[in-house]
Amino acid sequence: GAVVSQHPSWVICKSGTSVKIECRSLDFQATTMFWYRQFPKQSLMLMATSNEGSKATYEQGVEKDKFLINHASLTLSTLTVTSAHPEDSSFYICSAAKLRGGSDTQYFGPGTRLTVL
Amino acid sequence: DAKTTQPNSMESNEEEPVHLPCNHSTISGTDYIHWYRQLPSQGPEYVIHGLTSNVNNRMASLAIAEDRKSSTLILHRATLRDAAVYYCILSPSSGGSNYKLTFGKGTLLTVNP
Repeated sequence: GAVVSQHPSWVICKSGTSVKIECRSLDFQATTMFWYRQFPKQSLMLMATSNEGSKATYEQGVEKDKFLINHASLTLSTLTVTSAHPEDSSFYICSAAKLRGGSDTQYFGPGTRLTVL
Repeated sequence: DAKTTQPNSMESNEEEPVHLPCNHSTISGTDYIHWYRQLPSQGPEYVIHGLTSNVNNRMASLAIAEDRKSSTLILHRATLRDAAVYYCILSPSSGGSNYKLTFGKGTLLTVNP
């Protein structure tokens, strides 16, 4: 399967600071990237969908001014958590896909563990 | 979104087959059935998907009921590395504007040595 990387794999920051997480598709050009969040012992929750060169589409209840998504190229998307607070501590996971219509597969990154002190 | 129902947990012994069930009685005619799995502290991993016919790949087999209201993921010989949460997910065609994967709680598979 295709390979998706995330950087950093974990980050600890102080409350009020901003944190940027990168998601890269290493061996294919992704038309679409997805950002998920997963709290302990819970399932993945989709935060937003982004297409290269377009504004991201956020799921209901996700603050777009707090979670800034940039999808500058077909292989890179970034998620910036602005003014992070302890309740933003979570496991953030991205996925990438080449959507051609039909049963296209999402390939997931290894995740980024964010801890806000 | 069409929903799926899976057992919370299942247990298996190493080197034995495992059958993971999924009910999706409200599936629409164009929904694909996807299976992903997630090992602890990792991102999900694609396992298999299908539409109407049974599917096989190097990881598993997917058996889809004739009425498509249920499916079963089959791991032919479980190994300790197969211990994970398995998610059964329905999704519409990826060409539509409503395409996304909605993860439920999945089935926690424990494999005993």
